[in-house]
Amino acid sequence: EAGVAQSPRYKIIEKRQSVAFWCNPISGHATLYWYQQILGQGPKLLIQFQNNGVVDDSQLPKDRFSAERLKGVDSTLKIQPAKLEDSAVYLCASSLAPTYEQYFGPGTRLTVT
Amino acid sequence: QQQVKQSPQSLIVQKGGIPIINCAYENTAFDYFPWYQQFPGKGPALLIAIRPDVSEKKEGRFTISFNKSAKQFSLHIMDSQPGDSATYFCAARRSNSGYALNFGKGTSLLVTP
Repeated sequence: EAGVAQSPRYKIIEKRQSVAFWCNPISGHATLYWYQQILGQGPKLLIQFQNNGVVDDSQLPKDRFSAERLKGVDSTLKIQPAKLEDSAVYLCASSLAPTYEQYFGPGTRLTVT
Repeated sequence: QQQVKQSPQSLIVQKGGIPIINCAYENTAFDYFPWYQQFPGKGPALLIAIRPDVSEKKEGRFTISFNKSAKQFSLHIMDSQPGDSATYFCAARRSNSGYALNFGKGTSLLVTP
């Protein structure tokens, strides 16, 4: 079984630029999560999708972050414009349903200079 | 606000030792307590999990002890090996808010030969 795929693995941008991350969850997984992991901290949930609907986006900075999962499969997370404090690893995870185990992808390491 | 507090931040043990990582929570709505293991450059992977109706759970060399009245839980790694060197995160999940995971800040474990 293929795991959660993410791209790119690394990205370096200047502040005020925009960036997008892509996630392909495990086949058949209805629930998809985006987490932000700042160096030295645990992952923090940004947004949770159930199929193509948003379940929880209470910690997503909506003035600059957006995410979509149009067909209930792949998802993209966008930051526009980026700030220095957005430097982090962005993790995508998926699960069969909200109560099931979450499987994490390898993450995208973003550096904002 | 950190909903799950984890300690210590880092830990060094010799091979064969028993590292213990502790976590505490406040929200009594949490009903699922997993531990994740993360190697550098990888996403977190589920190690073992427990529910509050059980006081202890063992899987191989990994044991979770759970104290519901104290709102504390801990991970014990028996006969630790250098390959166990990684960052460990405790987490807690509540079922009335999308089942989002709330992570501790992590413990960096080094097992020396």
